[in-house]
Amino acid sequence: SAVISQKPSRDICQRGTSLTIQCQVDSQVTMMFWYRQQPGQSLTLIATANQGSEATYESGFVIDKFPISRPNLTFSTLTVSNMSPEDSSIYLCSASGRRTSTDTQYFGPGTRLTVL
Amino acid sequence: AQTVTQSQPEMSVQEAETVTLSCTYDTSESDYYLFWYKQPPSRQMILVIRQEAYKQQNATENRFSVNFQKAAKSFSLKISDSQLGDAAMYFCAYRRRTGTASKLTFGTGTRLQVTL
Repeated sequence: SAVISQKPSRDICQRGTSLTIQCQVDSQVTMMFWYRQQPGQSLTLIATANQGSEATYESGFVIDKFPISRPNLTFSTLTVSNMSPEDSSIYLCSASGRRTSTDTQYFGPGTRLTVL
Repeated sequence: AQTVTQSQPEMSVQEAETVTLSCTYDTSESDYYLFWYKQPPSRQMILVIRQEAYKQQNATENRFSVNFQKAAKSFSLKISDSQLGDAAMYFCAYRRRTGTASKLTFGTGTRLQVTL
């Protein structure tokens, strides 16, 4: 399995500002994914990030609001732009493929974001 | 579209006893994966067990086992000899087999309490 870390683990931000969340994997992976988990809810996929290409966004999520970078096979960032209180959630990164199983996604510890 | 349903928002089990968490899903695919993830209060998503749809044998991982009924589209998780550390949210998830970019679809989760 892969070991995935995220920074920051939590943050409190003012509305209108932006936050970039970093996701680091300890091995090269094919796919990286970003999920949002709103309070008391299940996980919803925001986008899939391939190295060297544009991220693929799910319905309801747009690049202007959630720009994603994937500069190499072990790292990705998600930016939450122009934040509002409705963006308060846990944001989780996951990864699969290459040295991890292509069948299974492994998750980072999440970033708890509170927007005031 | 695939959907995953967990009809038990909360379950409770006494330490050392056995509990079964239910999950049903809907798909038109014949080849796919099913997963159970555990999310303790630390919010880290931990893979508990996975099942390939083409395998008839039910997956087992130590005290965790599944009852996979493909025709009924049912995928329940049995936890034997429950321990206090098993207390967490449990999410059932589905993934198509074809394509490494295939996303996970999660159920709404079941909160498991373990009592002394």
